[in-house]
Formats: sequence, C-alpha cells, structure tokens
Amino acid sequence: GAVVSQHPSRVICKSGTSVKIECRSLDFQATTMFWYRQFPKQSLMLMATSNEGSKATYEQGVEKDKFLINHASLTLSTLTVTSAHPEDSSFYICSAYGAGATNEKLFFGSGTQLSVL
Amino acid sequence: GENVEQHPSTLSVQEGDSAVIKCTYSDSASNYFPWYKQELGKGPQLIIDIRSNVGEKKDQRIAVTLNKTAKHFSLHITETQPEDSAVYFCAARLGGQNFVFGPGTRLSVLP
Repeated sequence: GAVVSQHPSRVICKSGTSVKIECRSLDFQATTMFWYRQFPKQSLMLMATSNEGSKATYEQGVEKDKFLINHASLTLSTLTVTSAHPEDSSFYICSAYGAGATNEKLFFGSGTQLSVL
Repeated sequence: GENVEQHPSTLSVQEGDSAVIKCTYSDSASNYFPWYKQELGKGPQLIIDIRSNVGEKKDQRIAVTLNKTAKHFSLHITETQPEDSAVYFCAARLGGQNFVFGPGTRLSVLP
C-alpha cells in the first residue's frame, strides 16, 4: 500500500511552547489530508480536513487558532499545536487521500504521541 | 449523514480460532468499505477493503463480506495468531473523501 510518513513519532514539550507535526505522502499525491486525535482506548476523532492550497475545515469544537494546519503541497501537511498545555497531550494521527494510483483509498501515518509537561 | 456501528467492542478468541467483526452503515449510497488494524502506539493500517459492487473479498487469512441489502459488512479472520491482537476499525465511504469510521473492536488472541 501507499506510504504516509508522520514525524515526529514522539515529542515532549513544555507548557506554552508550540509543536509542529509533519505528514507526508511519499509515493502518491494527496489531494486531501486529515488530522485526528485519539485518546487511550478510544476511536479516532477527526479534527480537521485540509485540501492542498486552501484553508483547512475544522470539526465543531476544534480551535483553529490552536491547531494550525497547513497543506502547502500535494505531499505535505503540517499540524502545529500552538501554546501547548497538558490537556493537549494526546496521540495525533494524520491520513492522506489521493485519487488515481491509490484508487481513492485512505492511508494513515504512524502517529505522534504528544506529551506536554 | 452516514453512521457506522461496529460490534463487538471487545473480542477474545483462542489462538487458531476464527474472529468475526461486524459493521453496519446507514447510508445506502456508501460505496467503499475499508478495514484498518491499529497496533498499540501506531497508526491504523489498511488491511483489506471492498467496493459496493463486490460481495466478498479474501486475502490469505482475512476476508470481508458485504451485504448491501442489509447494509452491513464483516471482517473474518481465520486461524488467528497472537500478532492479530489489535484494534480493528471499519469505515464506510459515502463519496469522494468522506469516510466515517466505526468505534473500533479490540481483539485479543489468547495463546
């Protein structure tokens, strides 16, 4: 299957700092990328949908000024958690959707465990 | 909008036995149904999928069946092994890139 690379896999930061997470589609062009948050033993919670070259669409209850999403190219989307606080600690996962060669399938990154001290 | 239910939420089987996870969806326009396996601390991995014009698909020990009339699809794992232990998510695609996920099933394969 297609490869989606997500970095870093784990990050520990101090409260008040910002953290950037990268999501790259390595062998296909992702027209749309999604960002999720997952709490222990729970399902995937969609945070936002980003399309290349346009503003992200955020789900209800997700602060767009806190979770900045940039989808500057067809292979890269970034999520920046601004002024992180302990309650932002979670497992963040991206996914990428591409038409054509990937047969319109959805592929996930490996996830980023964020711990805010 | 689309709603996907998944049962059971947890499933324990003995190694070598079969495991079945069932999902139901609400929108008959959904046309693509993938299954993902998520191991602890990792992202979900696509393991098998089926399109609405097919009733069954098999890949080695895993298979997926689709009943469009009843709007349900199931994942079947035969000859389970300890490495099959994970959380499994089903999903339904309504159209374009609109995917709706089930809540997940935690499968434990007991040696």
